[in-house]
Amino acid sequence: EDKVVQSPLSLVVHEGDTVTLNCSYEVTNFRSLLWYKQEKKAPTFLFMLTSSGIEKKSGRLSSILDKKELFSILNITATQTGDSAIYLCAVEAWHFNKFYFGSGTKLNVKP
Amino acid sequence: DTEVTQTPKHLVMGMTNKKSLKCEQHMGHRAMYWYKQKAKKPPELMFVYSYEKLSINESVPSRFSPECPNSSLLNLHLHALQPEDSALYLCASSHPDSGEYVGELFFGEGSRLTVL
Repeated sequence: EDKVVQSPLSLVVHEGDTVTLNCSYEVTNFRSLLWYKQEKKAPTFLFMLTSSGIEKKSGRLSSILDKKELFSILNITATQTGDSAIYLCAVEAWHFNKFYFGSGTKLNVKP
Repeated sequence: DTEVTQTPKHLVMGMTNKKSLKCEQHMGHRAMYWYKQKAKKPPELMFVYSYEKLSINESVPSRFSPECPNSSLLNLHLHALQPEDSALYLCASSHPDSGEYVGELFFGEGSRLTVL
């Protein structure tokens, strides 16, 4: 059965800390892995990863994919209270627009 | 601002009511999705339309009836719902699967449904 597992489920840090969120997957016909941030409403897109070892970076956020070991990490450096959200990992499979979501990691950044 | 627009933002209905959720996008995407999200859970796929044809139905009960009148619009018709159907219903769009990467899903802000 196809699945996406995120860890930890929740995390509490203080401003300025660096955090690493994990996403492992077992998905037949993997095509891409996506990271989303969800605050109160719709998930907002962060990164799409398709190739192993190539880091994607946006400001304090970065992500990398390992297709051999079937996982991805999302790093957030110098965390701010505005980073508090649920971070969702989704894996796209070939054919039929199928996306599998992990259960998310709830990040709480305290002042 | 999201480019996927959902209405209504909030809906309260009784178990005997008939209502509809609407979703609209003007990004030229030919794949549109309905997801259901319960509190503290990830989005669960319900339906996918590709080129206005239903391509995925994740064994959703028939009290949920999707409709894709054209490439920009997606509806979800609701009838005889149960209280456990209360959730955030998210619409999303993307490029269709044409052998290349589909890319990201663009989500609307959701319709929060409460069934009494």
